[in-house]
Amino acid sequence: GNSVTQMEGPVTLSEEAFLTINCTYTATGYPSLFWYVQYPGEGLQLLLKATKADDKGSNKGFEATYRKETTSFHLEKGSVQVSDSAVYFCALSDVSAGTALIFGKGTTLSVSS
Amino acid sequence: GAVVSQHPSRVICKSGTSVKIECRSLDFQATTMFWYRQFPKQSLMLMATSNEGSKATYEQGVEKDKFLINHASLTLSTLTVTSAHPEDSSFYICSGDPSSGGANEQFFGPGTRLTVL
Repeated sequence: GNSVTQMEGPVTLSEEAFLTINCTYTATGYPSLFWYVQYPGEGLQLLLKATKADDKGSNKGFEATYRKETTSFHLEKGSVQVSDSAVYFCALSDVSAGTALIFGKGTTLSVSS
Repeated sequence: GAVVSQHPSRVICKSGTSVKIECRSLDFQATTMFWYRQFPKQSLMLMATSNEGSKATYEQGVEKDKFLINHASLTLSTLTVTSAHPEDSSFYICSGDPSSGGANEQFFGPGTRLTVL
């Protein structure tokens, strides 16, 4: 079946450090891939997405590239800020298989000044 | 982006009572809405998919008689936890999909924290 695996957290970084959160997936069809962010006390917000292989999603300085050969969608940001502290969820949606969003377990990012 | 609201944001109830949670899409019509459950430090687990005007589709292991879902209009879905017990305490999140194809991009509500005493 379809699944998403993302790196265990928490990830603790200093401001302006480089961020990578790994995400790999298993899917039988051709999924769309997403990163969602959940700030403290708020609901999930879509951060970025990619719908086909080699697509790069980007938003707010974050980016992730849909790599079909490695079944990965790693999230990166060149210089994190304290305000980026949140929980990040990788997710996939495989419409051809009739599934809703399948989420990874989430990675907590804590950025200190 | 599209906005989804949930009400209430927080509810505490006694064991054995029923609790209704509302999910509204404020600026779009949601043919499909989803209900998730999130345990502390865990991922979101899909409970059910509801389509306006038809019965919800429940995920394996989710009791449909316990978690009643009604999607009576394109902007409102409700989840009723019947005869709630302490193990039902959790964070319940809904989302709406404005696309007709379903499961493409979802917009999430802020969640409802249910505590059953």
